[in-house]
Amino acid sequence: DIQMTQSPSSLSASLGGRVTITCKASQDINKYIAWYQHKPGKGPRLLIHYTSTLQPGIPSRFSGSGSGRDYSFSIRSLEPEDIATYFCLQYDILWTFGGGTKLEIK
Amino acid sequence: QVQLQQPGAELVKPGASVKMSCKASGYTFTSYWINWVKQRPGQGLEWIGDIYPGRGITNYNEKFKSKATLTLDTSSSTAYMQLSSLTSEDSAVYYCSRRGAGTMDYWGQGTSVIVSS
Repeated sequence: DIQMTQSPSSLSASLGGRVTITCKASQDINKYIAWYQHKPGKGPRLLIHYTSTLQPGIPSRFSGSGSGRDYSFSIRSLEPEDIATYFCLQYDILWTFGGGTKLEIK
Repeated sequence: QVQLQQPGAELVKPGASVKMSCKASGYTFTSYWINWVKQRPGQGLEWIGDIYPGRGITNYNEKFKSKATLTLDTSSSTAYMQLSSLTSEDSAVYYCSRRGAGTMDYWGQGTSVIVSS
């Protein structure tokens, strides 16, 4: 089974700032990674798939990159509505989720 | 717009079973796989299995093969998941999601299952 190690588990950043979250796979996942935003009481929202492809309607201040086993997700120009938990999902072989990153605003 | 509607909560007794629903709308139900995902409080997400409404094909995570059963009612565009022999370890939020863009593109709001006597 593929394991996904996501870090950090939580972080705090200032409005207007930039944050980066990483996911490391236990093997090459061929760029089949997606990133989600999850707010309490709601279903997760797909932001990015295939490493860096933005879903329609998602602002360009969200971005993703990576290859092989190492992937990252960034948000620039943080806004109050970005407070949420973010997680990665590999879908190269079956489905494995990262542990999640809880983002707070300073 | 694509929507997956799930009931908010189910309270069930230990040892019993529960069958939860996921009603799809806004797209052709038979053209997209439906996934089911578990999230225990304070823990990460786990994939349980998926089902293809076009043919009724199912795949299960080995861990959940004896716990979960996925079924469909295509006439109402609804997917179901039944969990059997419930214990406290099954208390969790269960999400359904659609497979689109190769990944899980739309999600329901989740059903909170509470196993308690």
